[in-house]
Amino acid sequence: EAGVAQSPRYKIIEKRQSVAFWCNPISGHATLYWYQQILGQGPKLLIQFQNNGVVDDSQLPKDRFSAERLKGVDSTLKIQPAKLEDSAVYLCASSPGIIPGNEQFFGPGTRLTVL
Amino acid sequence: LAKTTQPISMDSYEGQEVNITCSHNNIATNDYITWYQQFPSQGPRFIIQGYKTKVTNEVASLFIPADRKSSTLSLPRVSLSDTAVYYCLVGPTGGGNKLTFGTGTQLKVEL
Repeated sequence: EAGVAQSPRYKIIEKRQSVAFWCNPISGHATLYWYQQILGQGPKLLIQFQNNGVVDDSQLPKDRFSAERLKGVDSTLKIQPAKLEDSAVYLCASSPGIIPGNEQFFGPGTRLTVL
Repeated sequence: LAKTTQPISMDSYEGQEVNITCSHNNIATNDYITWYQQFPSQGPRFIIQGYKTKVTNEVASLFIPADRKSSTLSLPRVSLSDTAVYYCLVGPTGGGNKLTFGTGTQLKVEL
């Protein structure tokens, strides 16, 4: 079974530039998550999708971050404009659905460096 | 929001059993406890999940006391390849911002 795919793996940009990350979840997984993981910290949930609807985006900085999930499959996370403090690894995860016992399957992440 | 507390680091030797405890005093009735393992430059990987009492799978056991205010991940006979960061995650399986990763425990296994 193919895992969660993310691209790019690494990205370096200057502050005030924009950047986009792409995620392809495991086939058939209804739930998709985007996390931000700052060095030395645990992942912080940014947004959760159930199919193509948003379940929770309360921790997404909406003035600069946006995310969408096209047709309930792939997802993109965008930052515009980027700030220095956005330097982090952005992780995408998927799970089969909102039922007890669901585990999240994580992708390898995209490491963003903002200069 | 269930806040979790774990030891920052632990050291062990190959072949020993390792127990990592997570404190979650304000766990909610519908919260599950899940442990993930993370290697450098990789996303977290699911280890085990439980609600109460004891859960065991092929790689670990999870002990949860009756009050559910803490949980202990037990790794039997660790090897060098178990060197990683271990996260305790407490939250409803419905997710949302109530999915809170702890600070993580850096486990170092030596020969």
